[in-house]
Amino acid sequence: AQSVTQLGSHVSVSEGALVLLRCNYSSSVPPYLFWYVQYPNQGLQLLLKYTTGATLVKGINGFEAEFKKSETSFHLTKPSAHMSDAAEYFCAVSDQRGYSTLTFGKGTMLLVSP
Amino acid sequence: EAQVTQNPRYLITVTGKKLTVTCSQNMNHEYMSWYRQDPGLGLRQIYYSMNVEVTDKGDVPEGYKVSRKEKRNFPLILESPSPNQTSLYFCARPPQAFGPGTRLTVT
Repeated sequence: AQSVTQLGSHVSVSEGALVLLRCNYSSSVPPYLFWYVQYPNQGLQLLLKYTTGATLVKGINGFEAEFKKSETSFHLTKPSAHMSDAAEYFCAVSDQRGYSTLTFGKGTMLLVSP
Repeated sequence: EAQVTQNPRYLITVTGKKLTVTCSQNMNHEYMSWYRQDPGLGLRQIYYSMNVEVTDKGDVPEGYKVSRKEKRNFPLILESPSPNQTSLYFCARPPQAFGPGTRLTVT
């Protein structure tokens, strides 16, 4: 069985500061890993994904994440927060059998102050 | 552009009154899924479909039905809704495309 743990239900940063959202996963097989963003009253938007290959993955809106197998982590970072980054972020894992196994973390709300 | 549409966006109903939430994709893809989102619990999978006439239970299937008669559409059916099914529902063509959500309130 797979699982995802997102550390911190809320993370607060100042505009211009580093954004770091933590995600650890559990999977018995090589995982596919995803980060999604959800703005108020909207659906989920895929930010980035890791399947195979390069472990540092770049996504939209200046976000990136690094797959670290030894740490079973896939933390999301952005060098400089913008007010428009305020949203809820979800980490998700699936295995290579297919996306029927896509499992989400409980989410982290990112708050950005001026 | 990959798109998933679902209707209605908002629905208030009473206990026991059957309802259907429609879902449609423009990608002709085999795989589709339904999730519910509840505060503090993230998204949990209700049902998924690997192809026409092929559906299977997710993590929280109780009280729900789905059908997949054609590749494009994947409706979610609540035959006898109860208050614990009050939630935000998302249809998806994972991992790329999620619908805008249906906020359901059952009184």
